[in-house]
Amino acid sequence: DVKVTQSSRYLVKRTGEKVFLECVQDMDHENMFWYRQDPGLGLRLIYFSYDVKMKEKGDIPEGYSVSREKKERFSLILESASTNQTSMYLCASSASGTGTGNTIYFGEGSWLTVV
Amino acid sequence: DAKTTQPPSMDCAEGRAANLPCNHSTISGNEYVYWYRQIHSQGPQYIIHGLKNNETNEMASLIITEDRKSSTLILPHATLRDTAVYYCIVRVSNFGNEKLTFGTGTRLTIIP
Repeated sequence: DVKVTQSSRYLVKRTGEKVFLECVQDMDHENMFWYRQDPGLGLRLIYFSYDVKMKEKGDIPEGYSVSREKKERFSLILESASTNQTSMYLCASSASGTGTGNTIYFGEGSWLTVV
Repeated sequence: DAKTTQPPSMDCAEGRAANLPCNHSTISGNEYVYWYRQIHSQGPQYIIHGLKNNETNEMASLIITEDRKSSTLILPHATLRDTAVYYCIVRVSNFGNEKLTFGTGTRLTIIP
């Protein structure tokens, strides 16, 4: 069974803390994504990566950075957490191309509360 | 990237077919239409995708208009477990530039 695993389901952090959200996929996918989801705003892309050490900014990259040192792992970093980063964070992965059967897989989400 | 438009909410009686529309009038030739759903507090679940032909799998059917400017997801016999937010996604895939553009989603409520 295919899997995208997010290391932490629920986190509570203090303002100013450095926060790491980890994501691992076991499907040898080239592409990995980080989204955040907020009520009324839907899913918004923060960053994505199409290969090891490669990254592209999404729609809302401010306040975030990412790291992809290995193909299976994509980390989202909040250098100095702020209360407006309280949200649910979703990791996803996919193979390149959109041929039949190519599917985007999502993790279960990480609920981050910054106090 | 093509944007999608969906109604914010819909109701459907249990056992009936649920038909969820999506408008993607600016879709380009190499973009696929994907449908996902999200049950509260969980990650989105893949349902179906297509390019221009109609598609069917064990979960649903996808009907894409001939001009590809809109599509409809059909859940043939809705159950209470189908209550969720459904997202229509247009996906472009060029190497190094793969993006997902999410619609606003439709909150589908199945009525007993």
